Amino acid sequence: DAGVIQSPRHEVTEMGQEVTLRCKPISGHDYLFWYRQTMMRGLELLIYFNNNVPIDDSGMPEDRFSAKMPNASFSTLKIQPSEPRDSAVYFCASSTGGSFSGANVLTFGAGSRLTVL
Amino acid sequence: GQNIDQPTEMTATEGAIVQINCTYQTSGFNGLFWYQQHAGEAPTFLSYNVLDGLEEKGRFSSFLSRSKGYSYLLLKELQMKDSASYLCAVRDSNYQLIWGAGTKLIIKP
Repeated sequence: DAGVIQSPRHEVTEMGQEVTLRCKPISGHDYLFWYRQTMMRGLELLIYFNNNVPIDDSGMPEDRFSAKMPNASFSTLKIQPSEPRDSAVYFCASSTGGSFSGANVLTFGAGSRLTVL
Repeated sequence: GQNIDQPTEMTATEGAIVQINCTYQTSGFNGLFWYQQHAGEAPTFLSYNVLDGLEEKGRFSSFLSRSKGYSYLLLKELQMKDSASYLCAVRDSNYQLIWGAGTKLIIKP
């Protein structure tokens, strides 16, 4: 398996522009997570899906952020409009059974490094 | 509130042993994870503890004491490639992962 695939790897944009980050989870994994990582705040869970359905989006910072999972093999995280404080590395991760049972392990994608000028 | 504490940075010598501590205060406990993250890369799973005691996996071992809210990751025979950040994460009563800020480990020759 190719693992969790994210794109783009790097994105530099100007404040006010729309940003779309993409993720393809590992085939067969029924949970998908979007995380944001910064030096100041570490890893923060933004939202997670189970079987393509959003379960908990309480970590989404504000209405400028939205996430979708139209099918089992694709998810997007959109920021509109983007702001400099959104600059971070955004990770997508997938797992079976979420983090709910046993040693269910998160497999992370390589991340998308976003810089908003 | 929920809190996980780890040292920010540690330095050790190649070939030596290092112990990275993690203390936690969470709403319930359903397991503790250690992940390794090399600079510019994604976190990768190292170990999982749910019962008290030591779990050994090659050069890496992880210990848990639930009564003390304490865990450590022990790295033996350190290699330069072990230079990375080590993240402690606890699964709380809602089965949500609470992440520590990570410990940056610097290995010197």
